[in-house]
Amino acid sequence: AQKITQTQPGMFVQEKEAVTLDCTYDTSDPSYGLFWYKQPSSGEMIFLIYQGSYDQQNATEGRYSLNFQKARKSANLVISASQLGDSAMYFCAMREGLSSGSARQLTFGSGTQLTVLP
Amino acid sequence: SQTIHQWPATLVQPVGSPLSLECTVEGTSNPNLYWYRQAAGRGLQLLFYSVGIGQISSEVPQNLSASRPQDRQFILSSKKLLLSDSGFYLCAWSWDSYEQYFGPGTRLTVT
Repeated sequence: AQKITQTQPGMFVQEKEAVTLDCTYDTSDPSYGLFWYKQPSSGEMIFLIYQGSYDQQNATEGRYSLNFQKARKSANLVISASQLGDSAMYFCAMREGLSSGSARQLTFGSGTQLTVLP
Repeated sequence: SQTIHQWPATLVQPVGSPLSLECTVEGTSNPNLYWYRQAAGRGLQLLFYSVGIGQISSEVPQNLSASRPQDRQFILSSKKLLLSDSGFYLCAWSWDSYEQYFGPGTRLTVT
């Protein structure tokens, strides 16, 4: 089964509007972390935001916020006031076994291509 | 601050030729290091990770290998490239449980 599912291959949003990118995950580990990365056309993966499974509040970083619904196993990324420079591929990722402290892989979803329209 | 470098940025190699991609991290010590591959239009697949010098864990069986000869140097190699090795190779570093920071990547085309 897919551990990270991003059901929106492509999304369009008007400049200055908010957009939500969906991500659902599957794990039986009680300690995990969820991450969002942005990949512009240059290819570099840029870390955006992190949410730990035990965090009580939704993570926020500037215009980015993570709508974490633990019972539904969803971790949607909300981008407020979209800018043209937000056009990129967005990946949701998960790391299980967070409490172990050892190097563990990030499992990535297939990504959502966001296009911001002027 | 920490920075991560990868080279070369792009590479075109014939089938059967060897490969060596290098990744170095500056501004930190004893990082965890990772090699990922991204096929066109797809997500990232972890190939190798390392928690210290000479310590390599492989996630996917393939004709690639990795080495960590120094604390902040991670090398991805192959003795004979296959067409299926084409892709975008990303190196990343992290501290334990937290986010991973990626390098600029190497775009490899095997012809």
